[in-house]
Amino acid sequence: RKEVEQDPGPFNVPEGATVAFNCTYSNSASQSFFWYRQDCRKEPKLLMSVYSSGNEDGRFTAQLNRASQYISLLIRDSKLSDSATYLCVVGDNAGKSTFGDGTTLTVKP
Amino acid sequence: DAGVTQSPTHLIKTRGQHVTLRCSPISGHKSVSWYQQVLGQGPQFIFQYYEKEERGRGNFPDRFSARQFPNYSSELNVNALLLGDSALYLCASSLAGGDYGYTFGSGTRLTVV
Repeated sequence: RKEVEQDPGPFNVPEGATVAFNCTYSNSASQSFFWYRQDCRKEPKLLMSVYSSGNEDGRFTAQLNRASQYISLLIRDSKLSDSATYLCVVGDNAGKSTFGDGTTLTVKP
Repeated sequence: DAGVTQSPTHLIKTRGQHVTLRCSPISGHKSVSWYQQVLGQGPQFIFQYYEKEERGRGNFPDRFSARQFPNYSSELNVNALLLGDSALYLCASSLAGGDYGYTFGSGTRLTVV
């Protein structure tokens, strides 16, 4: 079993749709949690941090459930420019950050 | 401000050769991490250095080594290259250990033939 697991998708949604991505992690001692976005053949870029209290940035909302070891990302009112691969990242206290394999989103007109 | 810079951008090597990849972090960032990404997978953690000390190591063979210099730049060295080492190698910098996320460079694409 992978340390960080994501549904690979692909998710194909129309513009304006709401889409949710899920991620589970196995290390209960994990301390930091993030969502990154990666466009084709580009480097990952930090989208947002994830906290137990929830974190919202415009159309994007991230949530952490430590008890279930589960992280989510909700995108509202999808735009064509949201098409990318979304990577879930979990960090421990030993300097290691583990990436999931990503969920691919395609937003269509 | 310059972001994370990596060199070279592309590299072709032959099996058995050695390669050195270089990374300069964002000014003021003291932590550098190295990742390997193959097509269709997420980045795999190789090393993290903070204040010139190795802080974390991923599940990679001893052919992989790295170091961080007094100016916080870093090198990743891979010896005895295998075909399976072909990948995008990403360097990420952070203020302190990645608790606030990383900024990635655009990577070095290594092809081993």
